[in-house]
Amino acid sequence: GAVVSQHPSWVICKSGTSVKIECRSLDFQATTMFWYRQFPKQSLMLMATSNEGSKATYEQGVEKDKFLINHASLTLSTLTVTSAHPEDSSFYICSAEWTGGSYGYTFGSGTRLTVV
Amino acid sequence: GNSVTQMEGPVTLSEEAFLTINCTYTATGYPSLFWYVQYPGEGLQLLLKATKADDKGSNKGFEATYRKETTSFHLEKGSVQVSDSAVYFCALSEGRGGSEKLVFGKGTKLTVNP
Repeated sequence: GAVVSQHPSWVICKSGTSVKIECRSLDFQATTMFWYRQFPKQSLMLMATSNEGSKATYEQGVEKDKFLINHASLTLSTLTVTSAHPEDSSFYICSAEWTGGSYGYTFGSGTRLTVV
Repeated sequence: GNSVTQMEGPVTLSEEAFLTINCTYTATGYPSLFWYVQYPGEGLQLLLKATKADDKGSNKGFEATYRKETTSFHLEKGSVQVSDSAVYFCALSEGRGGSEKLVFGKGTKLTVNP
């Protein structure tokens, strides 16, 4: 149990376009999901906390208008990188909190975004 | 604020060697502690966790004990394999179902040579 599916696993887009990344909890309901960004050879940086049915909470320094987060259902959260630029190229990972049976956090497999 | 400090890598070992990756933390309250593993090009997988002092988390031959007195959660394995090559992250969370965010260490890259 507690599987999170993230799609796409990799994407290449042109500067100025927008890209949507989906994060789905497959076998449990996720009231809260987290979006992280990972730079090469570095740790994960929390970008925002996504709450079902309400606005996301962004970490300091993260542009909410650039990284749009929508958590419209208990099994789906999306991150849209708007007007992408090469500096947005990174590895994005979502996570959901799972409390069924064993407390912990389950991560998606990540999305490699390359903006050219 | 809460923080996690783990030993810098990279760490290179021969197969069957003993592994220790140090992790210490700073936190208010009583955090839960985790070790995650990230294989190349993939997301994070939970390796083990401990939710209270003196708990020992274990999985796949890896162990870590929650030491409140030394605020540590060192990862150990008695005999590493080539397949253990990955990046290991120590993390903490203040919550137990409270939707608290995870705070990660910077990660330690482990390479195991045959």
